Amino acid sequence: DAMVIQNPRYQVTQFGKPVTLSCSQTLNHNVMYWYQQKSSQAPKLLFHYYDKDFNNEADTPDNFQSRRPNTSFCFLDIRSPGLGDAAMYLCATSREATGASGSTDTQYFGPGTRLTVL
Amino acid sequence: AQKVTQAQTEISVVEKEDVTLDCVYETRDTTYYLFWYKQPPSGELVFLIRRNSFDEQNEISGRYSWNFQKSTSSFNFTITASQVVDSAVYFCALSETTSGTYKYIFGTGTRLKVLA
Repeated sequence: DAMVIQNPRYQVTQFGKPVTLSCSQTLNHNVMYWYQQKSSQAPKLLFHYYDKDFNNEADTPDNFQSRRPNTSFCFLDIRSPGLGDAAMYLCATSREATGASGSTDTQYFGPGTRLTVL
Repeated sequence: AQKVTQAQTEISVVEKEDVTLDCVYETRDTTYYLFWYKQPPSGELVFLIRRNSFDEQNEISGRYSWNFQKSTSSFNFTITASQVVDSAVYFCALSETTSGTYKYIFGTGTRLKVLA
C-alpha cells in the first residue's frame, strides 16, 4: 500500500544535541510538509517542499531545518533541541499544493515521531 | 483572516449514541476546501473527507455523515451509532486556493470519548 512512513516513531535526545527525523513516501507526491504538534493542540506547519522548492513558515525558528534529497525522502533537522521542542512531529504529503483540480491538495499524514528532549 | 472554530473541546458519549462534531469557518474567498481528519491515540492524522465550496450536498459514508451549510459557514460531522473505536481527536481544516495559498488552517480539535 502506498503510504507515508516516519522513522523513528519515538526519539529521545538530549538538550542541545542535534537530531534528525526522517519521512519517506511511496505516493510519488510533489509536496512534503513538516508539522509540529504539541499536546492538545492543532498541528502547526513548520515548512514544506514543493518538489525541490523549500517554503519556510515565517514563524519557524532557525533551529529547524529541512532537506529533501529526492522525491521520496524528506528530513527534519533540529540543530539544538530545547525542552520546548518536545512534541509530535508529523510529516504529510500531497500531490499538489493547491486544489486547482480534483483532490490533489489533500494531505496524507504519516504516523508521526514523538520527540522527547531530556 | 481565515479561521476554523471547533467550539467543543471534548465530548463523551455512550456507545451506540449519535454524536455531532461542530466546525465553523471564516474565509473571504469563494473557492475553498474543507477537510475532516481523525487522530486516534496512535497519533496519525487519518483523512476522512474533503469538500469543495461549490458542493453543498451532504455526504454519507457508512456511519459517518457530513453537513455542509455555506449560509452558516459550518461543516458539521455526525457519527451514527458511535463505537469505542471512534474515540479520537477530530480536526476540521480549511484550505484556500484562489489566493494561491496551500496551507491548512486547522481547528483546535474535538476530543471524542466513546464509553462502552
